[in-house]
Amino acid sequence: GNSVTQMEGPVTLSEEAFLTINCTYTATGYPSLFWYVQYPGEGLQLLLKATKADDKGSNKGFEATYRKETTSFHLEKGSVQVSDSAVYFCALSDRGTDKLIFGTGTRLQVFP
Amino acid sequence: DGGITQSPKYLFRKEGQNVTLSCEQNLNHDAMYWYRQDPGQGLRLIYYSQIVNDFQKGDIAEGYSVSREKKESFPLTVTSAQKNPTAFYLCASQTGGLNTEAFFGQGTRLTVV
Repeated sequence: GNSVTQMEGPVTLSEEAFLTINCTYTATGYPSLFWYVQYPGEGLQLLLKATKADDKGSNKGFEATYRKETTSFHLEKGSVQVSDSAVYFCALSDRGTDKLIFGTGTRLQVFP
Repeated sequence: DGGITQSPKYLFRKEGQNVTLSCEQNLNHDAMYWYRQDPGQGLRLIYYSQIVNDFQKGDIAEGYSVSREKKESFPLTVTSAQKNPTAFYLCASQTGGLNTEAFFGQGTRLTVV
C-alpha cells in the first residue's frame, strides 16, 4: 500500500544553518505531496504542496521538489530560525480515497 | 472566518466512561477525518467520512465511534472499550479531490484519570 518514510529526529541546528528533512514515498500512480508543520500543543498547518512531478512547493523560505524518479519530496530551508522549531510531517494524498497518509514526523530544534 | 474547531481543548475521563470530542467546520468541506497522535509518534487515522451519513474505519477504529449527521459536524466518541485512550486527537476536513490539502483543528488532549 501507499506509505511515507521520513528521517528520524530530532534534527538539531544552530540558527542560520541549512536544513534538509528527507521524505520518500511509496504509491501507485502519481499522488499529491504535502509538508505540514505542527507547533507545540497545536494542530497541523499546511506548509507547502506539490501536485505533479518536478513541481516545487515553497512557503516561508521552505522548499520541496516532487522527484518522481527518486520518489522523494525532501524539505529544505537555506537559513533556519529559532521560530522554525516544530515537528514537520510529510504526507501524500491517496489516489483511491483522497485521504492523507502521513509520515511519522521529524522534530526540528533550532538553537540561537 | 472559516475554520475547523475542536472542543474541548483538554478533557479528562474516568476509567469506564464514554466521552465525546466535538469537531465542527464551516469550510463547506465534504470530507472529515479523526486522527490520534501519541507522544513522539505520527498520526494514525481513526475514522473518516467523505459525505454526510457515511463514514469508514481507519487504521485504529476499535474502541471509537463516529457519526456524520450534518456536513459541518463529525463528533468522535471514545468508548470504554478503548483500552488506552490517553492521547492527542486531531480532526481535519478537506474539500475532497486528490490535490486538496486538509485543514486541521487545534486538537483535544484526552487524559484518563
